[in-house]
Amino acid sequence: KAGVTQTPRYLIKTRGQQVTLSCSPISGHRSVSWYQQTPGQGLQFLFEYFSETQRNKGNFPGRFSGRQFSNSRSEMNVSTLELGDSALYLCATGMGPRNEQFFGPGTRLTVL
Amino acid sequence: EDQVTQSPEALRLQEGESSSLNCSYTVSGLRGLFWYRQDPGKGPEFLFTLYSAGEEKEKERLKATLTKKESFLHITAPKPEDSATYLCAVVQDYGQNFVFGPGTRLSVLP
Repeated sequence: KAGVTQTPRYLIKTRGQQVTLSCSPISGHRSVSWYQQTPGQGLQFLFEYFSETQRNKGNFPGRFSGRQFSNSRSEMNVSTLELGDSALYLCATGMGPRNEQFFGPGTRLTVL
Repeated sequence: EDQVTQSPEALRLQEGESSSLNCSYTVSGLRGLFWYRQDPGKGPEFLFTLYSAGEEKEKERLKATLTKKESFLHITAPKPEDSATYLCAVVQDYGQNFVFGPGTRLSVLP
């Protein structure tokens, strides 16, 4: 059974640009959550989608947005990048919002 | 405020030296508690789910237990390959998303 896939794996951008990250869940998983991980802050929750609806949103500015498609694939977008957005972005998928979550390998974003 | 804490922050063990990691939570209406292992630069790897006080789960050298306010991850005779950050997370019966603790960074020296 294929695991969670995230693309791209690595990304280098400059301040002010925007970026789109993609997450393909394990087959049958309908819940997708996104997290930002930095050395000083640990895992910070961004948002959660289930059946194309955003169920929860973390405490991040509106520059961070996401969506989920009918096939459960999800994308997150960060506009007007700042240096502080450099982080490992992880998505996690599950059968439902309160089931075990399985993480992808992450996308390492570096903002210069 | 719902909170998940983990202790110790970092732990260094000699190979074969057993120990325990702690995860304490203050959420109400616990639906489940989850343990993950994370290697540097990689996504967390799912280990266990615990649903009710008294429940135990085992996998190789790891055993997770749950009480009403905390969970322990016991590591028996660890090996260097067990070195990683161990994260716990809780989810409630209602409302919000997973709440992750800050993790315990485990180093097992040969």
